[in-house]
Amino acid sequence: DGGITQSPKYLFRKEGQNVTLSCEQNLNHDAMYWYRQDPGQGLRLIYYSQIVNDFQKGDIAEGYSVSREKKESFPLTVTSAQKNPTAFYLCASSHQGAGTEAFFGQGTRLTVV
Amino acid sequence: GQSLEQPSEVTAVEGAIVQINCTYQTSGFYGLSWYQQHDGGAPTFLSYNALDGLEETGRFSSFLSRSDSYGYLLLQELQMKDSASYFCAAPSNQAGTALIFGKGTTLSVSS
Repeated sequence: DGGITQSPKYLFRKEGQNVTLSCEQNLNHDAMYWYRQDPGQGLRLIYYSQIVNDFQKGDIAEGYSVSREKKESFPLTVTSAQKNPTAFYLCASSHQGAGTEAFFGQGTRLTVV
Repeated sequence: GQSLEQPSEVTAVEGAIVQINCTYQTSGFYGLSWYQQHDGGAPTFLSYNALDGLEETGRFSSFLSRSDSYGYLLLQELQMKDSASYFCAAPSNQAGTALIFGKGTTLSVSS
């Protein structure tokens, strides 16, 4: 079945540590995205990529980094520079073109302990 | 910049009709989409409007007025399973990528 997979579902991190969230899709989508969701804040765009080896900052990129070495994969690293990393992280992918449906993964809930 | 405003909460009873509004401010406009998210789950696509008017998909309809920078999602014959958060979203570029979302409207349907 085609889809978008995020792992792990739950992740715990100690303060000061970097952590990488995985996102893989087999939908043959060019575009991939990372969002952060906090209660009452909706989905805020962290980074997006429209093509392999290229990515753009979203509204809240500080403290995060990404790579897009393969079309299927768009991992997100939450670095120690991110001041408040505890949140629900959602990865999505889509074809290009306005109005194209974005498909979301089931999310990773990151907690800093 | 780009921003989308929508009410934070709406309540209704089963069988009723509810309208969730969204007003937007965008540097360029490339259409308005709606997504549904059940608690703790993945958002799922509901509809998209590029032109003015009403788009109907079963019990859900979406409306757009570009001159008013306004759209709404209309949910008819409400069911308990419609209790969820609803987000309006707009792409920030012509490629249709980089969707920007509103903060979401939590719909509670009671019996």
